[in-house]
Amino acid sequence: GESVGLHLPTLSVQEGDNSIINCAYSNSASDYFIWYKQESGKGPQFIIDIRSNMDKRQGQRVTVLLNKTVKHLSLQIAATQPGDSAVYFCADHSGGYQKVTFGTGTKLQVIP
Amino acid sequence: DAGVIQSPRHEVTEMGQEVTLRCKPISGHNSLFWYRQTMMRGLELLIYFNNNVPIDDSGMPEDRFSAKMPNASFSTLKIQPSEPRDSAVYFCASSLLGEKLFFGSGTQLSVL
Repeated sequence: GESVGLHLPTLSVQEGDNSIINCAYSNSASDYFIWYKQESGKGPQFIIDIRSNMDKRQGQRVTVLLNKTVKHLSLQIAATQPGDSAVYFCADHSGGYQKVTFGTGTKLQVIP
Repeated sequence: DAGVIQSPRHEVTEMGQEVTLRCKPISGHNSLFWYRQTMMRGLELLIYFNNNVPIDDSGMPEDRFSAKMPNASFSTLKIQPSEPRDSAVYFCASSLLGEKLFFGSGTQLSVL
């Protein structure tokens, strides 16, 4: 039969617009979240992190928002550029020995 | 620092052969992770080490897979015997005290 891969959500954004990528988590005890960017042919690369004692954290052109009530995380990219085209993963730290679990990822396509 | 170094970059082998993937973590990092990435299953954690000790190998698919970390600067992931379904990109990552992961460039494994 036909093999089916993971359905990777895709977000298409016009260059210069803002991008918002969402992520839900299930473990209410999780206390540390990381967003990674994976470009084609490369390993995931750290973008920004946030701890559970914060609701918002800003970096260069990126902002991460954390809503612990609904267990939701988002990554906002301002003035999206072609170089932002990649797959973005949110990662959840569970307790103990720094075990990290990755979500399925969201593919961001920037339209020039 | 050169970052996490993985070798080989590409590996093509025949079914039944032994495959050994190598990783040199970033100097000073105390945690090392092996991940596998496929279209079907996304990014999967296989095993991770803390201070050279294997902490959780529950992600290792079966007995054909084994991993070692003889010292703080070297780890191997071995598949014996290899099968076509093992074809994937294998990533090694390291971190310090449970903080962000630094990934290598990965090994593209093709088992014919």
